[in-house]
Amino acid sequence: GDSVTQMEGPVTLSEEAFLTINCTYTATGYPSLFWYVQYPGEGLQLLLKATKADDKGSNKGFEATYRKETTSFHLEKGSVQVSDSAVYFCALIAAGGTSYGKLTFGQGTILTVHP
Amino acid sequence: EAQVTQNPRYLITVTGKKLTVTCSQNMNHEYMSWYRQDPGLGLRQIYYSMNVEVTDKGDVPEGYKVSRKEKRNFPLILESPSPNQTSLYFCASSPHSGDSGYGYTFGSGTRLTVV
Repeated sequence: GDSVTQMEGPVTLSEEAFLTINCTYTATGYPSLFWYVQYPGEGLQLLLKATKADDKGSNKGFEATYRKETTSFHLEKGSVQVSDSAVYFCALIAAGGTSYGKLTFGQGTILTVHP
Repeated sequence: EAQVTQNPRYLITVTGKKLTVTCSQNMNHEYMSWYRQDPGLGLRQIYYSMNVEVTDKGDVPEGYKVSRKEKRNFPLILESPSPNQTSLYFCASSPHSGDSGYGYTFGSGTRLTVV
């Protein structure tokens, strides 16, 4: 079945450091890929997405590129801020098949940014 | 404002006492789904609905029921809650199951504690 694997957390960084959170996936066909963010005490918000190979999703300084050859969708940000502290989820929706639009999540990565 | 509304936000109940968590969306979305979030496990799908009167099991349906009598509402029912259902629950919606590129809109979550 479809699956998403994220790098082990938690991740702790100083403000203005470079961030990478690794994400790889297994799915049939060409899934759509997403990063969601969950701030403390809140629900999930869509951070960015990519729907086909080589697409780059970007938002709020975060970027991720859909790499079909490595089945990856790593999240990056050049300079993190304290306000970026949150839990980040990589996710996919498989195209077609019997998944019926199901959003499959990785286990989440906790990011803490210190001043 | 386009949104998914869940109620209640917090609930503490006792084992065996039936409860319902409500979910409503105002975007005319066809597809709705319930997830539970547990530490280290990410989000797992409980049930989903592709349209009115069309529901099906997700990955962890045991102990839960749902109904979809109206397009906007998708309540989650726990007939006899048990402590292992203590979790954070999210309702989500999407325009339709065939649109893999949209992603989901999530509610703010319901934190349920069963004692």
